[in-house]
Amino acid sequence: RKEVEQDPGPFNVPEGATVAFNCTYSNSASQSFFWYRQDCRKEPKLLMSVYSSGNEDGRFTAQLNRASQYISLLIRDSKLSDSATYLCVVNPSGGGNKLTFGTGTQLKVEL
Amino acid sequence: GAVVSQHPSRVICKSGTSVKIECRSLDFQATTMFWYRQFPKKSLMLMATSNEGSKATYEQGVEKDKFLINHASLTLSTLTVTSAHPEDSSFYICSARDARDQSQHFGDGTRLSIL
Repeated sequence: RKEVEQDPGPFNVPEGATVAFNCTYSNSASQSFFWYRQDCRKEPKLLMSVYSSGNEDGRFTAQLNRASQYISLLIRDSKLSDSATYLCVVNPSGGGNKLTFGTGTQLKVEL
Repeated sequence: GAVVSQHPSRVICKSGTSVKIECRSLDFQATTMFWYRQFPKKSLMLMATSNEGSKATYEQGVEKDKFLINHASLTLSTLTVTSAHPEDSSFYICSARDARDQSQHFGDGTRLSIL
C-alpha cells in the first residue's frame, strides 16, 4: 500500500462548482498533514495545513479523519485559476519534517 | 516571506556529464535541506536529507555516489548528479527548513534533460 494515496483525476468541473478531493495515508502515527498546490512544471506551494478540528481558508476547507486515515480538501465556487494539481502531503511520526507526497489530483476548471 | 533560490532552472546536457544544482536560502538559515525528484505525472520523491556540516541521509534506492550532496553552510546545499544518463532526466526540487520555525520552503526546481 502506498504511504499516501490520491485519485489522480483529472477532475473536470465547471466554473463555480464545488469539488472535493480525498487522500488516504497508511501510517496511523502520522502527525502533520498538508495540502499543496502544484502548477504544471512548477514547484509545489503550500495551500493549507490540515488540523484535526478541520480548518477553512476562504473557499478552501480541509478536514482530517484520523480514525479512517483520510484527509479531504473542499473547494467551493471554483475559479479557472484553481486549475492545478493538488498534492496531499503527510509528515510521518518522527519524520523530522520529512514530507511524503501523494501523486496529486489534477483539477481542471472550465468555463 | 522566506525565499529559496534554486539554480539552474533548466539544464540540457550530454550523457556522461556531471551536473551541479544549487539550493540557497536567501533570508533565513537552513540547517536542513531536502532534495526531491519528480518524474512526469508522478509524486515528489524524497532523495536525501542534507544536514549542514554533516553527511547527507539518503533514502532507500538512491545511490549516494551518484547523487553527491554537500551542505557546506547554513544557506547553501548542492546536489551533483554525476555521470548523468537519460534516465536521470527529471525535475529536481530542493526545500529548506527554516531553523526559526521549522517551516519548509521550496526552490523553483531544476528541469534536467540528459540527451
